[in-house]
Amino acid sequence: DQQVKQNSPSLSVQEGRISILNCDYTNSMFDYFLWYKKYPAEGPTFLISISSIKDKNEDGRFTVFLNKSAKHLSLHIVPSQPGDSAVYFCAASKAAGNKLTFGGGTRVLVKP
Amino acid sequence: DAGVIQSPRHEVTEMGQEVTLRCKPISGHDYLFWYRQTMMRGLELLIYFNNNVPIDDSGMPEDRFSAKMPNASFSTLKIQPSEPRDSAVYFCASSFSKKGPGELFFGEGSRLTVL
Repeated sequence: DQQVKQNSPSLSVQEGRISILNCDYTNSMFDYFLWYKKYPAEGPTFLISISSIKDKNEDGRFTVFLNKSAKHLSLHIVPSQPGDSAVYFCAASKAAGNKLTFGGGTRVLVKP
Repeated sequence: DAGVIQSPRHEVTEMGQEVTLRCKPISGHDYLFWYRQTMMRGLELLIYFNNNVPIDDSGMPEDRFSAKMPNASFSTLKIQPSEPRDSAVYFCASSFSKKGPGELFFGEGSRLTVL
C-alpha cells in the first residue's frame, strides 16, 4: 500500500531548463509535505516543504506546488544545474507526529 | 555541530549471523527514526522513538529485527539471524519536534550485505 508515489523513476534535463518532479499521495490525513535530495553514498537532505494550508512555497530556484483536491504535489527547479543531479524523494507527514512516508524517488540528471 | 553518526558504514556478513547497526542522533533532538532503503521498496520506516520511547514499530519486518534506544544519544538496530533479503542501506535520522513536522536529519547510512 504505497501512500506516496512518484511515478517517474528518472528525468533528464538540459542545464538551464526547468525540472519538474511529480508526486501523488492517497492519504487525506497528510497535511505536511517535503522534498528531500539524495546524492550517492549520502543520506537524504531536506530541500523544501509545504503545509497543506498553502498551495505554493518558493525557496530560491526551488518551488513546490500543492494541489490538495488532486492529492498531487510537484517540485520545480529552475534553472536546473549539473549539481542538481541526484535522487529526489517526496515525503508526507501528519502534523501530529514527525513520521515521514516517502515516495520511491526520481533520479534527475542535468546535462551540461 | 556534528550530524547524525552511523556505524558501521559498510557491513558484509554471512546468513545467520547477528548484525548490529548503531546511531548517534544530533544532540537535543527528541525523535529518532530507522529507515531502510531497497531498490524494490524505496525508503521505508522501520521504527521510530520519541524521547527514547518506541512509538511505532509497525514497519519492523519480522521478529528478527529489534531496536533499542537506551539513552538520548544512542540507538541500535539489531538483526538476528540475518538473511540475504535483509541486504539494504539502513538510515538513521533524528529531528526536533519544536522545529516542525518532518524535517529529518539523516546519517550517511549503513550498507548491509548478507551473503
